[in-house]
Amino acid sequence: QSVLTQPPSVSAAPGQRVTISCSGSRSNIGENYVSWYQQLPGAAPKLLIHENNKRPSGISDRFSGSKSGTSATLGITGLQAGDEADYYCGTWDGSLYGGVFGGGTKLTVL
Amino acid sequence: QVQLQESGPGLVKPSGTLSLTCGVSGGSISSTSWWTWVRQPPGKGLEWIGEIYHDGSTNYNPSLKSRVTISIDKSKNQFSLKLTSVTAADTALYYCARGSITMILLPWGQGTLVTVSS
Repeated sequence: QSVLTQPPSVSAAPGQRVTISCSGSRSNIGENYVSWYQQLPGAAPKLLIHENNKRPSGISDRFSGSKSGTSATLGITGLQAGDEADYYCGTWDGSLYGGVFGGGTKLTVL
Repeated sequence: QVQLQESGPGLVKPSGTLSLTCGVSGGSISSTSWWTWVRQPPGKGLEWIGEIYHDGSTNYNPSLKSRVTISIDKSKNQFSLKLTSVTAADTALYYCARGSITMILLPWGQGTLVTVSS
């Protein structure tokens, strides 16, 4: 059971937009920045979004992040087949005094 | 740019100790970063194990704290993970990563699979 809650799977057609939610509590998302990671099949996770809505250099502007209260959302526009991957949210938890991740969401591009 | 590489035995016996090292290249381990271990059981999600700062300060996952030790070797520009009393539940891909105070993990190592089996 992960501290952060994500939907197990989402799907959409190529070119469409999809959102992935990440729900937590005050001690984690509520009081800390959220990061999002993309894990392609057989690869290590890659940072997509940090500090709620910032993209590292080289990350497409098709990816966006937002946070409101104790929830965060990853948005992906113009879906491509190459976006099929597992997506994880992560943040610090001040009560556990450690990092926490969501359970991951598998994105399928139909 | 900074690159990380995990190394260590791929097979550990039950009740034994898992020991892994993460070599850091392209940057100094004495930088203002939290050097982090994350694991992923086969087919499952990510689990944060713990982190260490260059001054030796550590933070651990409460569920693993009694069995985990993370250490740093500045002379070799590397940091290490030790997990004692392992069971089959500790079988996982183990990743090292450079972290920040806001838990931004970038970059990640490629990961190393550790299997606990007799």
